[in-house]
Amino acid sequence: DSGVTQTPKHLITATGQRVTLRCSPRSGDLSVYWYQQSLDQGLQFLIQYYNGEERAKGNILERFSAQQFPDLHSELNLSSLELGDSALYFCASSVGLAGWETQYFGPGTRLLVL
Amino acid sequence: TQLLEQSPQFLSIQEGENLTVYCNSSSVFSSLQWYRQEPGEGPVLLVTVVTGGEVKKLKRLTFQFGDARKDSSLHITAAQTGDTGLYLCAGASVSNTGKLIFGQGTTLQVKP
Repeated sequence: DSGVTQTPKHLITATGQRVTLRCSPRSGDLSVYWYQQSLDQGLQFLIQYYNGEERAKGNILERFSAQQFPDLHSELNLSSLELGDSALYFCASSVGLAGWETQYFGPGTRLLVL
Repeated sequence: TQLLEQSPQFLSIQEGENLTVYCNSSSVFSSLQWYRQEPGEGPVLLVTVVTGGEVKKLKRLTFQFGDARKDSSLHITAAQTGDTGLYLCAGASVSNTGKLIFGQGTTLQVKP
């Protein structure tokens, strides 16, 4: 158990819909990261928040948005869903924001868009 | 765009054999991490290498960071069935963020 929790574990929805994925970081961790893992693209960095502020952005689609709340939990919002958005979405957390720090990954949310 | 090429993508060996997984890039990374991922779970960090030329050992696993900090390798000695899984390398950007660039992964199957 990494100490990072993600809800829901599974999500099935239809094209065009909007979903929200939730992440609670490990106690004491200020950074939260979101990653997307698919068979063809592998594990792709989406976005990083540190203590409520956006810190780094990857190839995150405009239809996707995220935020980190004052209690440090984070939400990833996916809208106008397409079939290609079906993937595993991981949240990770670390104490600080440096690249060499250990990132602890949650169990992931498996999203299926039909 | 920073890319990490990981090879081989698939590896099936017998228990007791040795193997090496490679991670290569044309970009410099501030550090490189190796993760292992089990089906249905998130990746778990095995090691972080920071200094060019650094070698770290974790029991039967040996990790090396290239002198120029552009490449890395993972060597497993006398593989065991418990080593079966997906191995991922990830490079940290030289900018002061936690952004990680992941390789495509190596699926290792160790047969008894």
